[in-house]
Parts: sequence; structure tokens; C-alpha cells
Amino acid sequence: DAGVIQSPRHEVTEMGQEVTLRCKPISGHNSLFWYRQTMMRGLELLIYFNNNVPIDDSGMPEDRFSAKMPNASFSTLKIQPSEPRDSAVYFCASSYIQSSSYEQYFGPGTRLTVT
Amino acid sequence: RKEVEQDPGPFNVPEGATVAFNCTYSNSASQSFFWYRQDCRKEPKLLMSVYSSGNEDGRFTAQLNRASQYISLLIRDSKLSDSATYLCVVNQGYGQNFVFGPGTRLSVLP
Repeated sequence: DAGVIQSPRHEVTEMGQEVTLRCKPISGHNSLFWYRQTMMRGLELLIYFNNNVPIDDSGMPEDRFSAKMPNASFSTLKIQPSEPRDSAVYFCASSYIQSSSYEQYFGPGTRLTVT
Repeated sequence: RKEVEQDPGPFNVPEGATVAFNCTYSNSASQSFFWYRQDCRKEPKLLMSVYSSGNEDGRFTAQLNRASQYISLLIRDSKLSDSATYLCVVNQGYGQNFVFGPGTRLSVLP
């Protein structure tokens, strides 16, 4: 079975450029999460969606970051303009809410480097 | 105080050893608790959920102490393949806002 798919796997860009990260959740899952991981701050939740609706975006660092989920099988995280401090690994995860099961399945991540 | 705290390690143990990791959380309203495992340069993967009565999965045992807001993970008869970072995960008591601890790095040595 296909797991969570993220693209690109690696992205190197210059400061000021727009960056778009993509995620395809596991089919049938109804929750999607975007995380950022750095050595200094660890794994941080940026935003999550239930049934394509953003529920909590309090972790989005600033207005340069935006996320969308136009349908159940696709989400994007956009950074515009990008800055060197945005360099990190960005993970997308999905889950299916049923009873008390909250297991999240993570994608392989996108390693972003902003120079 | 950070929401979820863990000893960063590294814990360097010989094969066959028993090792325990601790985790404390600050939000007393937290309801769900998990241990995830993350291999180097890979994504986190669920190791086990943590239930109020404690639970065991093979060589792994998880305990929860709500009064002390404390979670533990015990690994018995450690294997080389157990080498990874172990992340304590706690929900915020509402929705699915999960907070990951900084992780504890384990190296099992031959």
C-alpha cells in the first residue's frame, strides 16, 4: 500500500524565492498534518486539517507560510518569500480518526535548504 | 517549562541490556500518549500507544503516571536494530494537536 507521499524530497532555493511543498495522504485518511523538524526546535506541528478544513494553524510561524487542502488527496505548504531560517525537514502526516485511535503516518519528508 | 521534556541522551548500551526512557508533560488535560521511533534521516513511526494501565508489546513496556505527569518506555534485551531516537508524544487535551518531545537518542553497541 502507498504511504504518505511528499514531493519534492529535496529542495534547494535562494532566499526570497517561493517554495511549494506537496503531500498526498493515505487514501481514506481524513486528517492531515504538516510538521517542521530542526535540530534546535525538534518536531513542531504547523497546521492540521480534518476533512480538508484547517482546524489549528497556531503553529504556522508567520504570514509567509500558508497551507491548503483543496481535496482529500492533496495538500500544499507554501513559503513566500523563503528565508534561510526556514531551512528544515518538513513532514506531512495523515491519520484516520476513529474511536480513540490517533496513529499518524508520516511521509518521508522534504528537506528544504534556503541559501 | 517545555510542554514535553525528555532526557536527550545519548544512551549508549550494550546488546542485551535493559534501558528506560522517561518523559514528563506539563498539560494536565492531556489524554493521549504515544512513543514514536525515528531512525536517522527518516520519518517518525509509531512504536506504541501508552495506556493508563500500562501496556507491553514484546520487549517494550510503556507506563503512564497521570498524577506525576510522567511517561516511561522500557526496552528489554536491546538489539542493535533498536538504535534510534525515541520521541514521546502527548496531545494537548483537545483535538489532534500533538506535541512531540525533543527525543532521546539510543545507541545499542555490539
